[in-house]
Order: sequence, then C-alpha cells, then structure tokens
Amino acid sequence: KAGVTQTPRYLIKTRGQQVTLSCSPISGHRSVSWYQQTPGQGLQFLFEYFSETQRNKGNFPGRFSGRQFSNSRSEMNVSTLELGDSALYLCASRPGRKTATNEKLFFGSGTQLSVL
Amino acid sequence: KQEVTQIPAALSVPEGENLVLNCSFTDSAIYNLQWFRQDPGKGLTSLLLIQSSQREQTSGRLNASLDKSSGRSTLYIAASQPGDSATYLCAVSQFRHMEYGNKLVFGAGTILRVKS
Repeated sequence: KAGVTQTPRYLIKTRGQQVTLSCSPISGHRSVSWYQQTPGQGLQFLFEYFSETQRNKGNFPGRFSGRQFSNSRSEMNVSTLELGDSALYLCASRPGRKTATNEKLFFGSGTQLSVL
Repeated sequence: KQEVTQIPAALSVPEGENLVLNCSFTDSAIYNLQWFRQDPGKGLTSLLLIQSSQREQTSGRLNASLDKSSGRSTLYIAASQPGDSATYLCAVSQFRHMEYGNKLVFGAGTILRVKS
C-alpha cells in the first residue's frame, strides 16, 4: 500500500506570493490533517479535513486555508507569504472509521517551504 | 491549554545501552498518547499508540507506559542501536470520536544519538 504522498518536496517562494501544497492520503483513508513544523515552535496543528469538510482548525491566521476533494486528496494554500511561514509542512492521514476511538496517524515526508 | 514537555531535549548513549525518554502533559483529559520517530528532513513514523484506558504498549525493543492521572509517559528503548538515532516525539490527542476530528499536541522532542 502506498504511503502518504506530498508534493512538491521543496519549494522556494518570495514574500507576498501564494503557494499551494498537495497531499494524497493512503488509499481508503478519509481524514487528512496538516501540521507546520519549525525549529522555534515545533509541530503545530493547522487543520483537519474529513469527507471534504473541515473538522478542526488550529490557531493560524486566515492566510492558511485548505480543502479536501471527493477522492480524499487535500491541498493547503498559504496566501501573502511571510518570512515566518518558512517551515516543513506535514500532511497526515488516518482511516476515519466511524466507530474508531483511536487511530494512528500516518505522515508524509513533508514539503519544505522556504520564503525569501 | 494542553502543553506537552519532553525531557531530556537531547541524549547521547553508547550502543547497547537501555534508555528512557520522558513525556509529560498538563491536561489529563486525553484519549490517547502516541510516540513518533522523525529522521532528519523526513516525516514522522508512529511507533506506539497508548489508549487512555491502557497502561502500556510494547513493540519489539520499545515499551511505552502511560500514567494519565499524573500526566506522564515514558518510552523505554532496550539495547539501543545506531539505527535508533533520531528525534522522538510524543503527542496527545484530546478528541473523543475519530469521526469528528482529531488534533495532536506535540512535545518538542528528544534528539537521540546512539554511538557505535
């Protein structure tokens, strides 16, 4: 079974630009989460999508947005990039079974975003 | 607000040594705790998930314990090997039902180096 796939692997942008990151979850997984990882703040939750609906959102400004498609693939968009947005953006998926109370998260390798 | 702390921040041990990594959290109302491993520039790999009703989980040379009432977890690694060198992160989940969203709060991690 293929793992979580994130594209692109590396991205360089300049301040003020916008960027879109893509995530393909493990086949059959219905939930996709996004996390930001920086040396200073560590791993922080951005948002989670389940069945094309945002279920939960972290404390990030409105410049950070996402969506999920009917095939469970997800995209994350950051508008008006700032230097502080430089980070490793990680996507994770899980089955999202209705009766499950505990599910492991499976992470992709991430997209390393550098804002110059 | 849930806060997760990991001690020590870094650890260097000779090959073959047994070691313990510590994780503490401020809000005991968790549903599970996970230990992850992260290799440089890579995503996270889930090692063990302990449900709130459990006391410990074992996988190979790894054993994780959970004391929810005191807000503590430990990850025990037996007979360490150079291949165990990585950053180890613990994370707690505070959602009650997987269908309605999940959010992990991570610690800053322990950087482990096992010397050959």
